[in-house]
Amino acid sequence: GAVVSQHPSRVICKSGTSVKIECRSLDFQATTMFWYRQFPKQSLMLMATSNEGSKATYEQGVEKDKFLINHASLTLSTLTVTSAHPEDSSFYICSAQRGDKAYEQYFGPGTRLTVT
Amino acid sequence: GDSVTQMEGPVTLSEEAFLTINCTYTATGYPSLFWYVQYPGEGLQLLLKATKADDKGSNKGFEATYRKETTSFHLEKGSVQVSDSAVYFCALVNAGNMLTFGGGTRLMVKP
Repeated sequence: GAVVSQHPSRVICKSGTSVKIECRSLDFQATTMFWYRQFPKQSLMLMATSNEGSKATYEQGVEKDKFLINHASLTLSTLTVTSAHPEDSSFYICSAQRGDKAYEQYFGPGTRLTVT
Repeated sequence: GDSVTQMEGPVTLSEEAFLTINCTYTATGYPSLFWYVQYPGEGLQLLLKATKADDKGSNKGFEATYRKETTSFHLEKGSVQVSDSAVYFCALVNAGNMLTFGGGTRLMVKP
């Protein structure tokens, strides 16, 4: 089956620092990857769509200068939270789309970010 | 815009009990409907899907029927197991080809 990994699974950083989260599709190539944010007891909120070789498309209300997305290869997308603040603490989930249908997304296990 | 509403959890059941997790949606047109499951420490996995009205999706003993008249897609299982303990997400895909998720329902099954 299709496997998507995320690294790190947990990270704690201090306010003002930046943190990078990696999302890898391990056994398939993905031209499109997605980054979601999940708040406690709430649904997944799509932050941005990452397309290999081009700029990411951000959802309304998501600061692209704060959440930098790079999709440098068909198996790797990265999300960098710049100048992190405590309100950025959350659970970040990525997915990689294998086919051309939205439901053909395979999800990573998520990264818990805590900003102190 | 499109939205999905599902019952709040946690839902706590004894092993072999009957499970229903309610899901209703609001969408224009004819969305496709999905249930995803997230086991502890793992990513979301597609559990089942239905692409048109009256379709029944099924997998691993779980079922859900696409009811357009009630805009619902309730998840059911006749006899739950401890291994079914997870968070379940109802979702839809509409014309924009993007997933819209419900809030998730945590299921806890006790032996």
